[in-house]
Amino acid sequence: GAVVSQHPSWVICKSGTSVKIECRSLDFQATTMFWYRQFPKQSLMLMATSNEGSKATYEQGVEKDKFLINHASLTLSTLTVTSAHPEDSSFYICSATQSTGPDEKLFFGSGTQLSVL
Amino acid sequence: AQTVTQSQPEMSVQEAETVTLSCTYDTSENNYYLFWYKQPPSRQMILVIRQEAYKQQNATENRFSVNFQKAAKSFSLKISDSQLGDTAMYFCASQTGNQFYFGTGTSLTVIP
Repeated sequence: GAVVSQHPSWVICKSGTSVKIECRSLDFQATTMFWYRQFPKQSLMLMATSNEGSKATYEQGVEKDKFLINHASLTLSTLTVTSAHPEDSSFYICSATQSTGPDEKLFFGSGTQLSVL
Repeated sequence: AQTVTQSQPEMSVQEAETVTLSCTYDTSENNYYLFWYKQPPSRQMILVIRQEAYKQQNATENRFSVNFQKAAKSFSLKISDSQLGDTAMYFCASQTGNQFYFGTGTSLTVIP
């Protein structure tokens, strides 16, 4: 299957600093990428949908000024957590669709565990 | 919006036995797709199986098969000959267009 690379896999930062997480589709062009947040033993919570070259669509309740998403190319999307606080500590996962139409599938990055001190 | 419901938060099965994970969904769409994803302790989400709603035949992938009941909006996953490596969270998901909806997950433990 298609490969989605996400890094860093683990990051610790001080409160008030910003953290950038990268998500790359390695062997396909991803027109759409998704960013999720996952709390322990819970399901994935969609944060935003990112289309290449356009502004991300954020889910209700997600602060777009705090979680900056950039999808500058068909293979790269970034999530920047600005002015991070301890409550932002979580597991963040990106995913990308390989193609549109009947054969569309969703492939996931390996996730980033963010710990804000 | 679509909703996906997994009513079994936790399940366990003896190694080599068969287990079925339940999933129901609600959609008004005619064209949609259904998935089962596995999330092992590594937390990497892995696609297990995919079903096109317009196909009546149940999808199978080696030891994994689904029972797709379109009228009942049910999409259960059967794991045959369970292996220790099957221990993971399993998420049922539906897709319409580029929107994906996930259930709350079932934690499966395979007991040696």
